Amino acid sequence: EPEVTQTPSHQVTQMGQEVILRCVPISNHLYFYWYRQILGQKVEFLVSFYNNEISEKSEIFDDQFSVERPDGSNFTLKIRSTKLEDSAMYFCASSGLTNEKLFFGSGTQLSVL
Amino acid sequence: GESVGLHLPTLSVQEGDNSIINCAYSNSASDYFIWYKQESGKGPQFIIDIRSNMDKRQGQRVTVLLNKTVKHLSLQIAATQPGDSAVYFCAERQGAQKLVFGQGTRLTINP
Repeated sequence: EPEVTQTPSHQVTQMGQEVILRCVPISNHLYFYWYRQILGQKVEFLVSFYNNEISEKSEIFDDQFSVERPDGSNFTLKIRSTKLEDSAMYFCASSGLTNEKLFFGSGTQLSVL
Repeated sequence: GESVGLHLPTLSVQEGDNSIINCAYSNSASDYFIWYKQESGKGPQFIIDIRSNMDKRQGQRVTVLLNKTVKHLSLQIAATQPGDSAVYFCAERQGAQKLVFGQGTRLTINP
């Protein structure tokens, strides 16, 4: 069964450093997303991406965040200068033509020290 | 802003019993809802979805009910199994592409 894959599973970084979280969405999907989940809290929307551009973003997704689809398979989330409060589980998701039924990856646990 | 929330944070049921997980939403314009299951250390797993033009949809051992009059969504799991133990989230589509998740209900299946 096709699945969304994310790497790395865990990432530890120092405050102020840049991190790149990587995702390979399901191959025939057209919509791509990043969500995050702070420990014990609900899953929060960050950004959606369609047709090689951001289609929607939340207040969390400020100038420190960026997304990119550098080739036909990868979808990345970059945080330029990490803050302690960026520590969370980051989930990538993708969906097909209907823009529904989001399928999530297993997440990258980001710890900012 | 309008949000999706859950009535109960935890629910325990005996193995083999049926369980019902509830969710309240406040955005009457929402047209699409999803239930996700999240096991420890994993991403949300799609269970079942429903559009606002329906009031019931059934899957394998799961049923989602939508009551638009009172803005209520529920997930029924029949004949629960140990593998059903997880946190269950309802999510509501707001806008074109954003899903808004509820807080989650932790379901525990007792042997």
